[in-house]
Amino acid sequence: SQTIHQWPATLVQPVGSPLSLECTVEGTSNPNLYWYRQAAGRGLQLLFYSVGIGQISSEVPQNLSASRPQDRQFILSSKKLLLSDSGFYLCAWSGGTLNTGELFFGEGSRLTVL
Amino acid sequence: AQSVTQLDSQVPVFEEAPVELRCNYSSSVSVYLFWYVQYPNQGLQLLLKYLSGSTLVKGINGFEAEFNKSQTSFHLRKPSVHISDTAEYFCAVSTAGTASKLTFGTGTRLQVTL
Repeated sequence: SQTIHQWPATLVQPVGSPLSLECTVEGTSNPNLYWYRQAAGRGLQLLFYSVGIGQISSEVPQNLSASRPQDRQFILSSKKLLLSDSGFYLCAWSGGTLNTGELFFGEGSRLTVL
Repeated sequence: AQSVTQLDSQVPVFEEAPVELRCNYSSSVSVYLFWYVQYPNQGLQLLLKYLSGSTLVKGINGFEAEFNKSQTSFHLRKPSVHISDTAEYFCAVSTAGTASKLTFGTGTRLQVTL
């Protein structure tokens, strides 16, 4: 069966520090991968998605970047965090023969920027 | 492009009462429809989905939803809620026949009290 893991679960970082959140998927190949963010009390905002190694699409211009160095690995990064980067970050994958768009989510990473 | 509207941002309900969470979508082509649940500080979990066939879809935890094409709706229902159903619920839509991304509604907070 397929599983998705992301870490760290919780992160407290000072303004201006770097960020790296990692996500890996197991049990499937060539998944579509996504990073979402939830600000407090808000809905889901799609940040990046990837359909293959090295292929990244950005939905919202911002202080963050994403990379996909391996087929089942997706990394969210920042060189210098802003207060507005605080939020709950979710990694997700989709795929399969039907390609319905159904997403499978990781456990989430809570980022607090102070 | 598709869109999703969840008209109710919050729905308070007493335990053992029935509940309906409303979802309307907009799309010019055939769609797939999903309901996800998010418990505090967790990722999203699929409750149920409509891909094709019977318009009444049953999901986990006693929830069900009915696809109504003429009203472009996919309302979520449960005949008797429990305290443990307190969570955020997201409706989502994707477009059939393409390598599609899910479009999410803004979410409905279901608050169950004694």
